Formats: sequence, C-alpha cells, structure tokens
Amino acid sequence: GAVVSQHPSRVICKSGTSVKIECRSLDFQATTMFWYRQFPKQSLMLMATSNEGSKATYEQGVEKDKFLINHASLTLSTLTVTSAHPEDSSFYICSASRGRIYEQYFGPGTRLTVT
Amino acid sequence: GQQVMQIPQYQHVQEGEDFTTYCNSSTTLSNIQWYKQRPGGHPVFLIQLVKSGEVKKQKRLTFQFGEAKKNSSLHITATQTTDVGTYFCAGNAGNMLTFGGGTRLMVKP
Repeated sequence: GAVVSQHPSRVICKSGTSVKIECRSLDFQATTMFWYRQFPKQSLMLMATSNEGSKATYEQGVEKDKFLINHASLTLSTLTVTSAHPEDSSFYICSASRGRIYEQYFGPGTRLTVT
Repeated sequence: GQQVMQIPQYQHVQEGEDFTTYCNSSTTLSNIQWYKQRPGGHPVFLIQLVKSGEVKKQKRLTFQFGEAKKNSSLHITATQTTDVGTYFCAGNAGNMLTFGGGTRLMVKP
C-alpha cells in the first residue's frame, strides 16, 4: 500500500502554545487528506477533510479556529493545534486518499500531550 | 446522518478458534472498507467491497458485503496471535466515509 508519514510522532507542549503536525503522502498524490482524533481504545473521530488548494471541511463540533488545517500541495497537509489545552491531549492521525470514496492510507499518528 | 454500527465491541478467543465481526449501516452504501489497527499502531487498509453480495478472501480472512449493501462481515478462520488488533469497517455513502466503532480482538495462545 501507499506510504504516509506523519511528523512529529510525539510532542509535549505547554498549555497555551501551538503545535503543528505534518502529514505527507510519500509515493502518491493525495487529492484528499483526513485528520482524525483517537482516544485510547476508541474509534477514529473524523475532525476534518481537506482537499488540495481549498479550505478544509470540518465536522460538527470541531472548532476550525482551534484546529487549523492547510493542504498546500498534493503531498502535504498540516494540522495546527492553536492555544493548546490539556484536554487537547490525544492521538492525532492523518490519512491520505485519491478521493473520498477511495481507500485511505493512514500515517503513524502523533501523540500530543499538553501539560 | 449516516451511522455505522459494529459488533461485538470486544472479543476474546482461544488461538485456533474462529472470529467474526459485523458491521451495519443505517443507509445503503456504495462501498465498504475494512481496516486493521494493531495495538499502538495506525489503521491499515485491508480491503474494499463494492458489489452487492460480494465475497472476498485474503488467506484466513473472509469479507462479505450484504445483498442490500447495508451490512458487512469479516470472518477470521483459526485465529492466530498475530490477528490481535482492532478491526474497523468504514462505510461509504453519499461521498461520506463513516467508521464503525471497531471490534477489538484478543487471542489467547
């Protein structure tokens, strides 16, 4: 399958700071990228869907001003958690796809801890 | 909105026993995908089913898509410890992909 990288894999930050997470599709052009949040032993919660060159579509309940998503190219999307709080601590996973109806290839995830 | 329910939530089996997880959608699906997430890992795409009544096999794994395209199942024959993980279905309808809650499989050696 296709390879998707995510950086950093782990990050610890102080409350009030911002953190940027990068998601890259390494061997294919991802028209669509997805950002998920996953709590321990739970399912994937879709946060937003982004298409290259256009604004991200956020799921209900996800604050777009807090979770900034940029999909600048067909191989790179970034998620910035602004003014992070301890309740933002979670596992964030991105995935890349050729389109919404196609299979998704997931990155390895980023473990965010806000102290 | 579209809902995808998956049962059971957890399953403990003895190594060598069979295992099945079921996925039910509130709406008719255009396709359904299955993913496996190992403990501490990320979801990995297993397969996509598109046709009504479709059955696909991958070694000991058998995937089925219901005739009405609203349900699906994943059956593992003779489980091994390497099968441990959470299996997610994801249903596609109206250009929206919705993940089920997952079934966590634990295998006792």
